[in-house]
Amino acid sequence: DADVTQTPRNRITKTGKRIMLECSQTKGHDRMYWYRQDPGLGLQLIYYSFDVKDINKGEISDGYSVSRQAQAKFSLSLESAIPNQTALYFCATSDFGETQYFGPGTRLLVL
Amino acid sequence: QKEVEQNSGPLSVPEGAIASLNCTYSDRGSQSFFWYRQYSGKSPELIMFIYSNGDKEDGRFTAQLNKASQYVSLLIRDSQPSDSATYLCAVQVGYALNFGKGTSLLVTP
Repeated sequence: DADVTQTPRNRITKTGKRIMLECSQTKGHDRMYWYRQDPGLGLQLIYYSFDVKDINKGEISDGYSVSRQAQAKFSLSLESAIPNQTALYFCATSDFGETQYFGPGTRLLVL
Repeated sequence: QKEVEQNSGPLSVPEGAIASLNCTYSDRGSQSFFWYRQYSGKSPELIMFIYSNGDKEDGRFTAQLNKASQYVSLLIRDSQPSDSATYLCAVQVGYALNFGKGTSLLVTP
């Protein structure tokens, strides 16, 4: 079984809808991250969490919110989806060290 | 803005050759450096990390770090068609990893 899982793997939604992307991990890591990737661009950090009570904004948090339900679960919500949020979204985890391990990604299309 | 710069490529090398991928970074406080490989539509997977100046070898891969020049590179020896992918350089400063946009590598048979 994969150490970091994301659901759904693909999602099509309409402008204005609220959607949630979920991430779960079995690595026992405290730190979890959400990134987005657009074609030809690098990974951009949306939010990160160092433990259940510690959630921080990344470089592109506008239009997104997160919830850390447990050590193993970190969800990303788009409050009111817009077309320029169409992207590939990755969840990642790390322990006290810096090496990050990525989930398989969620491909999101906002119409 | 903490910049991590990579040539976007594509870098084309023949099978069996050495591929050299380069990355420069702007923040002198950077502490750790990572190379990830990403196949199209897939998630990044860690190849190597390096913390200290010099070379670090792992199989066909060698990472090189020069903090004075703010430069990190990845060498792939005996390149194989399966090495064709985008290679992401990531630089750690504080809590975050800053990623470059990646270099596309094409290994031709």
